[in-house]
Amino acid sequence: AQRVTQPEKLLSVFKGAPVELKCNYSYSGSPELFWYVQYSRQRLQLLLRHISRESIKGFTADLNKGETSFHLKKPFAQEEDSAMYYCALNTGNQFYFGTGTSLTVIP
Amino acid sequence: EPEVTQTPSHQVTQMGQEVILRCVPISNHLYFYWYRQILGQKVEFLVSFYNNEISEKSEIFDDQFSVERPDGSNFTLKIRSTKLEDSAMYFCASSDLIWGQQNTEAFFGQGTRLTVV
Repeated sequence: AQRVTQPEKLLSVFKGAPVELKCNYSYSGSPELFWYVQYSRQRLQLLLRHISRESIKGFTADLNKGETSFHLKKPFAQEEDSAMYYCALNTGNQFYFGTGTSLTVIP
Repeated sequence: EPEVTQTPSHQVTQMGQEVILRCVPISNHLYFYWYRQILGQKVEFLVSFYNNEISEKSEIFDDQFSVERPDGSNFTLKIRSTKLEDSAMYFCASSDLIWGQQNTEAFFGQGTRLTVV
């Protein structure tokens, strides 16, 4: 069963515009959700996790258990935000990744 | 800053050949993982490793796959007889606690692109 869904493979926004990368999950237990980012030719790195409720590089994500969503948002996109973004679910002993969304910020 | 390193960055092999993908995890980490990503598809879990044994593996990780920590620093993934469908990017990761516990994260290597021809 698909555990993590990222419906958008590609997303383009203009610099300064708001951006939202969607993520929905399916899990009967208490979810732990993360966003990972992969910049061009670099490794996957943790962007943020729902449990810490921080804002990293201007990005935030709120866990909505009712909608089973963990969308990633930023009010003003920057060119350096162009990257591949992966939503991930931890079930305690395994990590599930979404298919990723490629974000392009147009100058 | 310590990081996970993987070698080689790109490996081309003929179908049926054995390949070994190498990873050097962060030195004080205890948990190790392999993931793969077929081009255009999602990142998939293969196996986790702790205390010199496999702690969990997915259905992808069949008898053709094996992992080893031969010398206390390297963590290898071996594919015994490669198939065309094994072509993918393989990511190694390590963490110091069970992934998902509060205030911990897994650190990824840069990946090895395996191409089976």
